[in-house]
Amino acid sequence: SQELEQSPQSLIVQEGKNLTINCTSSKTLYGLYWYKQKYGEGLIFLMMLQKGGEEKSHEKITAKLDEKKQQSSLHITASQPSHAGIYLCGVRGSTLGRLYFGRGTQLTVWP
Amino acid sequence: ETGVTQSPTHLIKTRGQQVTLRCSSQSGHNTVSWYQQALGQGPQFIFQYYREEENGRGNFPPRFSGLQFPNYSSELNVNALELDDSALYLCASSWGYEQYFGPGTRLTVT
Repeated sequence: SQELEQSPQSLIVQEGKNLTINCTSSKTLYGLYWYKQKYGEGLIFLMMLQKGGEEKSHEKITAKLDEKKQQSSLHITASQPSHAGIYLCGVRGSTLGRLYFGRGTQLTVWP
Repeated sequence: ETGVTQSPTHLIKTRGQQVTLRCSSQSGHNTVSWYQQALGQGPQFIFQYYREEENGRGNFPPRFSGLQFPNYSSELNVNALELDDSALYLCASSWGYEQYFGPGTRLTVT
């Protein structure tokens, strides 16, 4: 089975600071997904990366995929309290639609 | 808002009972997947339905079963509930690679 390691497990930053969350896979990446989750709620789709070297941005969030290193990074620029939550990375399994998830990174942004 | 809805929002059941959770997929999405998320963990894949047939299953016992209806909505049934079944249950609908999740059902087994 696919194993994903996210780092750090938790992150506390001051508003306005930049931050990076990493996701490393034990196997080759075929589709990497980033989601955000508020505690106890559903997952909000952020973006999906499919090709090595691919980079996508949405507002102040940028994600990159390094296929050779089997890694993805999520970078938030000028963080805001609204960015607080749990960030989950997921990879696609052999069954289309099956995702394997990491344990998540808990982000706290204080004013 | 993803367009994926789940009901009920919260549920409390007693060990040994049975429960049915419901999911309405986003319009046009023909695939529904169910996940279990224990506290502090990432979601774990239970199974997936495509055009009313199970199309992949994770490491869950047969007492976890499901259905998908012609309108692509879906049910998750869990029999003989155990305390460890307490979790957030998420459904996700997809068409192709992108997958969108509902708000989840919080199940507590006492």
